[in-house]
Amino acid sequence: DSGVTQTPKHLITATGQRVTLRCSPRSGDLSVYWYQQSLDQGLQFLIQYYNGEERAKGNILERFSAQQFPDLHSELNLSSLELGDSALYFCASSDSGTGDNEQYFGPGTRLTVT
Amino acid sequence: GNSVTQMEGPVTLSEEAFLTINCTYTATGYPSLFWYVQYPGEGLQLLLKATKADDKGSNKGFEATYRKETTSFHLEKGSVQVSDSAVYFCALSSNSNSGYALNFGKGTSLLVTP
Repeated sequence: DSGVTQTPKHLITATGQRVTLRCSPRSGDLSVYWYQQSLDQGLQFLIQYYNGEERAKGNILERFSAQQFPDLHSELNLSSLELGDSALYFCASSDSGTGDNEQYFGPGTRLTVT
Repeated sequence: GNSVTQMEGPVTLSEEAFLTINCTYTATGYPSLFWYVQYPGEGLQLLLKATKADDKGSNKGFEATYRKETTSFHLEKGSVQVSDSAVYFCALSSNSNSGYALNFGKGTSLLVTP
């Protein structure tokens, strides 16, 4: 158990809909990363938050957004969903977000868009 | 930009065989290097890491040495077990446009048979 929790575990929704994925980092970790894992793209970095502030962006679509709350949990919002958004979404946390940057991953949320 | 290339799988080995999974990288600066493992239906677990040239990371019988001259971080294990069957990801972290987010290879699937 990494100490990172994600809910829900599975999500099935229709095209055009909006969903919210939730992540709670390990106790004491200030940095949260979101990654998307799909068969064709592999593991892709989406976005990072550090202590409530956006720190870095990767291949995140404009339809996607995220935030980190004062209690350090984070939410990833996906809107106007398309079939191609079906994937596993992981969050990871680390204590600082810099340097050797060990990241601890949650179990993931599997999103299926029908 | 940063990138990681690892050997395509699947790799099939008999129990107690020697394992090598090749990984090479391209990065600016001085990246930290990681191996993560993903068991079926689970999130990624950090297997080992190395943060500077000539460092050797090791864990659970797995080893990898950070070779700056060949930009490589090959994963090895002397005697694999059935329980090692999983997907292995090589990754790097380096200050870039994506901050210190992990940049992953495509993963190598390992199947160990009794």
